[in-house]
Amino acid sequence: KQEVTQIPAALSVPEGENLVLNCSFTDSAIYNLQWFRQDPGKGLTSLLLIQSSQREQTSGRLNASLDKSSGRSTLYIAASQPGDSATYLCAVKNSGGSNYKLTFGKGTLLTVNP
Amino acid sequence: GAGVSQTPSNKVTEKGKYVELRCDPISGHTALYWYRQSLGQGPEFLIYFQGTGAADDSGLPNDRFFAVRPEGSVSTLKIQRTERGDSAVYLCASSPRTGEVYTFGSGTRLTVV
Repeated sequence: KQEVTQIPAALSVPEGENLVLNCSFTDSAIYNLQWFRQDPGKGLTSLLLIQSSQREQTSGRLNASLDKSSGRSTLYIAASQPGDSATYLCAVKNSGGSNYKLTFGKGTLLTVNP
Repeated sequence: GAGVSQTPSNKVTEKGKYVELRCDPISGHTALYWYRQSLGQGPEFLIYFQGTGAADDSGLPNDRFFAVRPEGSVSTLKIQRTERGDSAVYLCASSPRTGEVYTFGSGTRLTVV
């Protein structure tokens, strides 16, 4: 059974700092990995999706990497801003017959202080 | 519509009551998913529809939970004899076809008192 772990559970940083969020998964047979952002009382917004054959994806100040063999992904946020404060969730889809199902970690609660 | 719409956004019900949660997917999306997110946890898979049929309901916690999608568009998640442990945010998502990228709704926050 796939399990996804996110470290740290919470992180507080001053504005302008670069930061890294970590995600690990137990089954390396994945179809893709996705990073989401969740604001309080809101749904999930997809930030980056990395296919199993890719090593990284970038969008603006965000960069996500994937090391499938070691079961790890990182989300790098450059020059953090107070508006980046949210919960960040990592999720994987397994390859094979259940490639429709996302398995999520518990998230990292990020606070960026002005 | 432009996005996935879930109603109501908040629902408070008494223990033992029956509730229905509604999801309107993006028009034309054939795949629809329900997830449940308890406080401090990531979302957990409940059920997946391809068209009108439930292709995978392995995540439903017990037989008090049931979901339908009779016309292959709107879906309703039904919970009978609600318990306090059912309190959570129920998220719906849809995708154009199975395996493609999801769009999530804003969720329904269910509180059982």
